[in-house]
Amino acid sequence: AQSVTQLDSQVPVFEEAPVELRCNYSSSVSVYLFWYVQYPNQGLQLLLKYLSGSTLVESINGFEAEFNKSQTSFHLRKPSVHISDTAEYFCAVSVNTDKLIFGTGTRLQVFP
Amino acid sequence: GAVVSQHPSRVICKSGTSVKIECRSLDFQATTMFWYRQFPKQSLMLMATSNEGSKATYEQGVEKDKFLINHASLTLSTLTVTSAHPEDSSFYICSAPGTVRDTQYFGPGTRLTVL
Repeated sequence: AQSVTQLDSQVPVFEEAPVELRCNYSSSVSVYLFWYVQYPNQGLQLLLKYLSGSTLVESINGFEAEFNKSQTSFHLRKPSVHISDTAEYFCAVSVNTDKLIFGTGTRLQVFP
Repeated sequence: GAVVSQHPSRVICKSGTSVKIECRSLDFQATTMFWYRQFPKQSLMLMATSNEGSKATYEQGVEKDKFLINHASLTLSTLTVTSAHPEDSSFYICSAPGTVRDTQYFGPGTRLTVL
């Protein structure tokens, strides 16, 4: 079975500061890794994903995540956050890309 | 992009009644849809996989007679919470694999409150 741990339930940061949202996973087989974002009153949206190839994946809005197999991690980073990045971020794993196992989420709150 | 809608967005019902939640893929067809449940400050838990034209597949521990799933068409899946009780109060979310490979599209969720 797979599991996902997001240790930080809330991460408050000031605008333009860097941020890292941590995600660790557990699995006995190879997995695909995802970060989803949920803005207030909206559905989850895919932010980025790692399926294979380069371990560093990027999103169109400046986020990046690096797959680290030895540390079983897939931390999400952004060098400079914006107010509009305030949202709930969910890390997820999947064996077949359909059935997703989610972490408990991290609430990113960006302050001016 | 692919859009998934849910209706209603919020529902309040009395204990013992049944509630139906609809999940629609608006601009694409989905032979498979997924239903999740999310408790406050907790993760999304997969409840079941809805399959068009066949029976749903339930995850371990989910009562199939309690949570009835019907996938009647390629764009609609419904979740009916039968004889709802206060402990069924939760946020229910559906998703469907869309046109972009390896991507799930999520509905905005339905907040169910059972009094």
